[in-house]
Amino acid sequence: KQEVTQIPAALSVPEGENLVLNCSFTDSAIYNLQWFRQDPGKGLTSLLLIQSSQREQTSGRLNASLDKSSGRSTLYIAASQPGDSATYLCAVPSYGGSQGNLIFGKGTKLSVKP
Amino acid sequence: DAGITQSPRYKITETGRQVTLMCHQTWSHSYMFWYRQDLGHGLRLIYYSAAADITDKGEVPDGYVVSRSKTENFPLTLESATRSQTSVYFCASGPESLDGYTFGSGTRLTVV
Repeated sequence: KQEVTQIPAALSVPEGENLVLNCSFTDSAIYNLQWFRQDPGKGLTSLLLIQSSQREQTSGRLNASLDKSSGRSTLYIAASQPGDSATYLCAVPSYGGSQGNLIFGKGTKLSVKP
Repeated sequence: DAGITQSPRYKITETGRQVTLMCHQTWSHSYMFWYRQDLGHGLRLIYYSAAADITDKGEVPDGYVVSRSKTENFPLTLESATRSQTSVYFCASGPESLDGYTFGSGTRLTVV
């Protein structure tokens, strides 16, 4: 059964710092991995999708990497800003059982201080 | 507008009442899902659907009913609401290729 873990659970950094959020998964046979952002009281916004054949994806100040063999993904945020404060979730789709269901980590709550 | 729409955004209901949460997507995605999000539990799958007329239980299906007569709609019904069903409910859709999922804005349900 696929399990997704995110470390740390919470992170507080001063504005301008570069930071890394970690995501690990137990079954390396994944289709893809998706990073989401959730603001308080809001829905989930997709940030980046990495296919299983890719090593990384970039969007603006965000860079996500994927190492299937070690069961890890990282989300790198460059030059953090207070507007980056949110909870970041990673997820992989399952197959077998609840086919297509996204298995989520519990998220990393990021706070960027001005 | 393309996307996924949930309604209502907020709902307060009484214990024992039947409540239906609506979800509509315009992507023609094969997969649709209902999650609930609670503090300490994260996102938990209630029901999912791989196509019209195909639905299946997720992790926490008790007390919920779904239907999917059309590809674009996936309503979730609480047959007899209980306080433990107070939560934020998210609908999501995804293509058959599993490449990229979209979430609705959520319905905050309070059962009093």
